[in-house]
Amino acid sequence: DGGITQSPKYLFRKEGQNVTLSCEQNLNHDAMYWYRQDPGQGLRLIYYSQIVNDFQKGDIAEGYSVSREKKESFPLTVTSAQKNPTAFYLCASSVGSGTGPNQPQHFGDGTRLSIL
Amino acid sequence: GENVEQHPSTLSVQEGDSAVIKCTYSDSASNYFPWYKQELGKRPQLIIDIRSNVGEKKDQRIAVTLNKTAKHFSLHITETQPEDSAVYFCAASISGSARQLTFGSGTQLTVLP
Repeated sequence: DGGITQSPKYLFRKEGQNVTLSCEQNLNHDAMYWYRQDPGQGLRLIYYSQIVNDFQKGDIAEGYSVSREKKESFPLTVTSAQKNPTAFYLCASSVGSGTGPNQPQHFGDGTRLSIL
Repeated sequence: GENVEQHPSTLSVQEGDSAVIKCTYSDSASNYFPWYKQELGKRPQLIIDIRSNVGEKKDQRIAVTLNKTAKHFSLHITETQPEDSAVYFCAASISGSARQLTFGSGTQLTVLP
């Protein structure tokens, strides 16, 4: 989906280093999400945000941090506390849930993070 | 919270045959069920979705059926083609739920020529 841009495509992390993954959307979506995907497995929710300046932990938030200072941007930082960060990271966005029916999530192309 | 189970984890079919993937969900309040297709190394893409007020939805060779009583929904692909080979994910959500989707573990579909 051309409306969601993730960068970089590949990222390498050294021991003890924090790295930040970028996610930008121009779809005017209120909600944004970060997922982790390990080989042969499904998508696990790390963090999500329904509105600017607000975000919630997902199922596997330990070792990660996020910010939501702008509607268009939802960067994910993989901290040194995350001992097994090697994975494919996917960012998604959707129209906010509010009180209406849920809407589809649209995904970026992902960032593949590896340990050096 | 919601739990979604997906079966089978792998599925091989001959080109031209049909493929069926089934998901079950735990929370009876779930009312939105999308299906995503993910090709190797690429983003998941929405291929079809269904809401709880509908029992079946079709889009060309793809259909989804929903059984609210049994809490399961299925993806049906007819006349399969090699380009249908991918990983397929189901998901479920509840209206107004901020976290939106809970995903199944995925099914690797291989269409043999």
